[in-house]
Amino acid sequence: GDSVTQMEGPVTLSEEAFLTINCTYTATGYPSLFWYVQYPGEGLQLLLKATKADDKGSNKGFEATYRKETTSFHLEKGSVQVSDSAVYFCALSDQGGSYIPTFGRGTSLIVHP
Amino acid sequence: SAVISQKPSRDICQRGTSLTIQCQVDSQVTMMFWYRQQPGQSLTLIATANQGSEATYESGFVIDKFPISRPNLTFSTLTVSNMSPEDSSIYLCSVFGQGQHEQYFGPGTRLTVT
Repeated sequence: GDSVTQMEGPVTLSEEAFLTINCTYTATGYPSLFWYVQYPGEGLQLLLKATKADDKGSNKGFEATYRKETTSFHLEKGSVQVSDSAVYFCALSDQGGSYIPTFGRGTSLIVHP
Repeated sequence: SAVISQKPSRDICQRGTSLTIQCQVDSQVTMMFWYRQQPGQSLTLIATANQGSEATYESGFVIDKFPISRPNLTFSTLTVSNMSPEDSSIYLCSVFGQGQHEQYFGPGTRLTVT
């Protein structure tokens, strides 16, 4: 079945550092890929998405590119802020099936001033 | 986008009791989803609730433990029955966005069972 693998956290960075959170996936079809963010005490929010190969999703300075050849969707940000501290979930949705997403385990990001 | 509210936002309950969680959406939706997020873990889908039909439960979840109601296109409830400490989790309600490319989530209900 479909699966998503994320790098384990926590990832601890200083403010203005470069961020990469790795995500790889396994899917039988042609999934859509997502990054969700969960701030402390809140539900999940969609951060960005890409629906086909080579698409780049971007939002709030975060980017991720849908790489079919490496089955990856790594999340990057050039300069993190303390307010980016949260848990980040990579997810895929099989557009030819139920559309219900499969989530990774989540990666906690802690940004220090 | 959809705006989703949940009640209660948190609760502390005693073993053996039941808690009903409400989910309200600001627009009509066909499917509503209930997830469980155990401490430090990812999301696990409990069930899909369609208006006018029985909820569809995922493997490992049963109706007797997690009864769900879906009386109309904007509202659903999830009951956690006969609770044990292992039920301590965040319970999240969600719906699809337009085109079913993404999901929107409620703020969650943080349940602690003592």
